[in-house]
This record gives sequence, structure tokens and C-alpha cells, in this order.
Amino acid sequence: QKEVEQNSGPLSVPEGAIASLNCTYSDRVSQSFFWYRQYSGKSPELIMSIYSNGDKEDGRFTAQLNKASQYVSLLIRDSQPSDSATYLCAVYTGGQNFVFGPGTRLSVLP
Amino acid sequence: DAGITQSPRYKITETGRQVTLMCHQTWSHSYMFWYRQDLGHGLRLIYYSAAADITDKGEVPDGYVVSRSKTENFPLTLESATRSQTSVYFCASSQSGTSITPLHFGNGTRLTVT
Repeated sequence: QKEVEQNSGPLSVPEGAIASLNCTYSDRVSQSFFWYRQYSGKSPELIMSIYSNGDKEDGRFTAQLNKASQYVSLLIRDSQPSDSATYLCAVYTGGQNFVFGPGTRLSVLP
Repeated sequence: DAGITQSPRYKITETGRQVTLMCHQTWSHSYMFWYRQDLGHGLRLIYYSAAADITDKGEVPDGYVVSRSKTENFPLTLESATRSQTSVYFCASSQSGTSITPLHFGNGTRLTVT
């Protein structure tokens, strides 16, 4: 069974701080990794994708991938209350199989 | 506006009834997917389709039927609804199904089976 694990949270950070969200996966052959943001009652929205080891930055978001450790993370700098949501880690394992983690609920406190 | 549209947004049905959830996309994406999202389970794949008339089972296909006669439509049918099928259903699409193409989701259908 291919698994993706995340801390369910809630993770609470003060406004302006850095939020760090973590994800581990079990399938070593996974090649593509995605972070989705899901507001309560809404659909998942893609915010980052990463395919190679290292860091990828997009505005206030940085995704970090370490395939040797089977670990992917998302950093949110200068966190805003509007960042409060559930963040889903998704791993593409081949064969049209996107495995999702259970999500981490982030709360940014004003 | 182009995108992926699901209907209805909310549906209440009784146990044993047949219900169909609709999904329509205007991107001409070749791959389409149906997921259900439940507390404690996250998103789980029900069925997916690589192209018109090509469908395949996902992780939790039992009790569901799909069809894809046209590229843009991918309806999901619950032949005889059960309470365990109460969930939020998301349709998604991706351009080619390759490893570099992420999923894009519709707004979801919240289904309650009484």
C-alpha cells in the first residue's frame, strides 16, 4: 500500500511567521509531488509542484524535496490569516495514481 | 470561463436510489478522475478515464459506475446508493496523465444518502 503521511494538525502560527508543513511518502519510485490548499467546503487548489530534489520557490511558498529521505515540505513565509486552510500533499506514483495525504490543517492567528 | 464543472453541488437521496453526478470540463484534458473525500480517509480515487470509452478502477470502485462517451463529460453513477456513500465527490482532470501534469479539481458535490 503506497502511503503519504502528514501531521493532521492543527498547526497554529502567528501572522507573519513561517509555517512549515511536512509530508513523507512510502513509494521510492515516486517522481512528482504536489501541494494543494483546500479551504473549508471548497475544492483542492494546486499551489506548488516539485519534481527534482532541492527547493522550488513561488512567491511566499517554497517546496522542498528530498527523495533520499522520501520527504517533501512546504514553507509559507509571512503567513497571513488567509493562508488558514488544509494543505494536502499529493504524490504521483505512476499509472494515473495520485496518492493524497490526509492533510494538515493550518491556522494563522492575527 | 473554461474549467471543470460539477453538478449538482448538493444532493440528498435515499438508500437504494440511483443517482448520477455530472462532470464537465472545457480544457480538452484527456484524463478525468473521480475522488471521494471523507474525514479520516482523505481523497480516494474511485475511477479514472484516459480518454473517451476508456475507464479504469481506482482504490474504491465498488458501488459506482462511470462512462465517458465524450471527452468532456465523465458522469459517476451510484446504482443503488448506500449510507456509506455519503461523502464529498470531486471530479478532476489532467492534461495528459504524465507525471508532470497535476490534477485540477471541480467544485465538488456533497452527497447525503439517508
